[in-house]
Amino acid sequence: KAGVTQTPRYLIKTRGQQVTLSCSPISGHRSVSWYQQTPGQGLQFLFEYFSETQRNKGNFPGRFSGRQFSNSRSEMNVSTLELGDSALYLCASSLELWDRGPGTEAFFGQGTRLTVV
Amino acid sequence: EDQVTQSPEALRLQEGESSSLNCSYTVSGLRGLFWYRQDPGKGPEFLFTLYSAGEEKEKERLKATLTKKESFLHITAPKPEDSATYLCAVQAMEAGGTSYGKLTFGQGTILTVHP
Repeated sequence: KAGVTQTPRYLIKTRGQQVTLSCSPISGHRSVSWYQQTPGQGLQFLFEYFSETQRNKGNFPGRFSGRQFSNSRSEMNVSTLELGDSALYLCASSLELWDRGPGTEAFFGQGTRLTVV
Repeated sequence: EDQVTQSPEALRLQEGESSSLNCSYTVSGLRGLFWYRQDPGKGPEFLFTLYSAGEEKEKERLKATLTKKESFLHITAPKPEDSATYLCAVQAMEAGGTSYGKLTFGQGTILTVHP
């Protein structure tokens, strides 16, 4: 069964530009989460989508946004890029349906390495 | 606020030398504790889910255990291919909010196994 697919794998952008990253979840998974990974802060939660709705959001500025399509594919957008946005952006998919029972394991893609110059 | 602390930060072992990695956590209510393995430049690979104190899971040379305050990842007779960063994450009940999709990660333990 195919895993989580993220495109592109690598991106180089200039400060002030915007960028869009794409994620295709495992077939049948409707929950898609996004994370930022940096050497200093580790993995940090950005947001989660389910059935085209954002259900949860982390502590990131409004420059970071996302959306999900009816086929569960998701995109993440970062506007007005800053040097500090350079990171590995990871997408994870899961079967999570509700947030009051046992947690559901998330499966990660290979990530998109974003470098802002 | 949920917190996850992993120790040691780095661990160097000889092939065959067994050891354990520690993950201490503080959460209001645990929905699950997850272990991942991450190779350089790649995304985390799922290893185990633990839900309640006393639970144990095994896979090849790895065994994960859980108490009310910490989890251990035991590595028995490691091989060089076990070299990677091992990440621990918790998913917690969020007071006044939602926990959908949100994992809180530790900083990881970098494991190096020498032949």
